[in-house]
Amino acid sequence: EVQLLESGGGLVQPGGSLRLSCAASGFTFSNHAMTWVRQAPGKGLEWVSHIRSHGENTYYADSVKGRFTISRDNSKNTMYLQMSSLRAEDTALYYCARDLFAGYDGGFDCWGQGTLVTVSS
Amino acid sequence: SYELTQPLSVSVALGQTARITCEGNNIGGRNAHWFQQRPGQAPILVIYRDNSRPSGIPERFSGSNSGNTATLTISRAQAGDEADFYCQVWDGTTVVFGGGTKLTVL
Repeated sequence: EVQLLESGGGLVQPGGSLRLSCAASGFTFSNHAMTWVRQAPGKGLEWVSHIRSHGENTYYADSVKGRFTISRDNSKNTMYLQMSSLRAEDTALYYCARDLFAGYDGGFDCWGQGTLVTVSS
Repeated sequence: SYELTQPLSVSVALGQTARITCEGNNIGGRNAHWFQQRPGQAPILVIYRDNSRPSGIPERFSGSNSGNTATLTISRAQAGDEADFYCQVWDGTTVVFGGGTKLTVL
């Protein structure tokens, strides 16, 4: 069974840092690009960042560029999101999702259940 | 930046056909993907690359994309189809989601 499990969320003060993880199982992780999408309480989906299957290319939303870093370790079947200089507006449920293809634009066909990040003093 | 516009809400009678639109400048030149999100749950991909269905998605779900409008069509609507629906495309090196449409089955 294809599974994605996010972890690492929590309460952090403005300006703080957090690292999210997304552990994958049930498929060949290195064959798929991966992405992070967030959803603020009561709001719609907002894309955060994307990484190709071997990490050769990474992409970021303007709202997080320069503050967040996406990476992956294919030997551990895990993707990461290092978040720094966190702001109140980063508060959201963070989902990781699998792209159907190795590059991009295949559609995100598998999603985790999300990890909640709350930025507040 | 590229924008996708969806109606806030769509209502459909039980057993009838619902159509949810997603408008964007020449969206027909891009691949449109559609997601269903039920309350408290993670999104599910229901249509990818305009009109392809992932395994496990009923044939009642179909998609089209031309000109400035992509459309998700749900035939023979069921109570269980009630959810928020989002369209999504790539714009160069960024992903864009529509604002979402709440589907109500009457």
